[in-house]
Amino acid sequence: KAGVTQTPRYLIKTRGQQVTLSCSPISGHRSVSWYQQTPGQGLQFLFEYFSETQRNKGNFPGRFSGRQFSNSRSEMNVSTLELGDSALYLCASSPLGLAGSTDTQYFGPGTRLTVL
Amino acid sequence: DAKTTQPPSMDCAEGRAANLPCNHSTISGNEYVYWYRQIHSQGPQYIIHGLKNNETNEMASLIITEDRKSSTLILPHATLRDTAVYYCIVRVRTGANSKLTFGKGITLSVRP
Repeated sequence: KAGVTQTPRYLIKTRGQQVTLSCSPISGHRSVSWYQQTPGQGLQFLFEYFSETQRNKGNFPGRFSGRQFSNSRSEMNVSTLELGDSALYLCASSPLGLAGSTDTQYFGPGTRLTVL
Repeated sequence: DAKTTQPPSMDCAEGRAANLPCNHSTISGNEYVYWYRQIHSQGPQYIIHGLKNNETNEMASLIITEDRKSSTLILPHATLRDTAVYYCIVRVRTGANSKLTFGKGITLSVRP
């Protein structure tokens, strides 16, 4: 089974721009979560989508948003980029839904965003 | 979710067992212990999880103490490719709470 894929893998933007990152979960997985990793703050949870609805949200400003499509693919958007948004953005998928199923999260390789 | 405490770093010789400790003294009855690792600049990789019984898979073994306040991840024959940051996480295993709270983890260095 193919793993979680994220595109693009690397991205360079300038302050004030906006960016959209994409995540394709493992086939059959219904939940997609997003994380931000920086050297200073480590790995931090952004939000989680399940059945096209945001179900959990971390402590990030409204500039960070996301959505999920009917095929479970997800996108996250960051508007008005700041220098501090430079980070590795990770997407994780998990099965969920069925009683007794594991909800172990499996991560993609990440998108490295650099804001200049 | 309960917090975990891990030493910042440890090393071991290639071919030897690596025993990575984790304290989770405030763990509650419905919280599981998960282990992930992250090799430099890659996404975290799931290793193993358990509730109260010891668990083993093709990657590692997880030993959880009887009081569940601590656990040890064992890599039976460490290789250079096992050099990574290892995260111990406790969380409720439910679909309604999918957030993983990562600490700083323990950096394992495997030396030749």
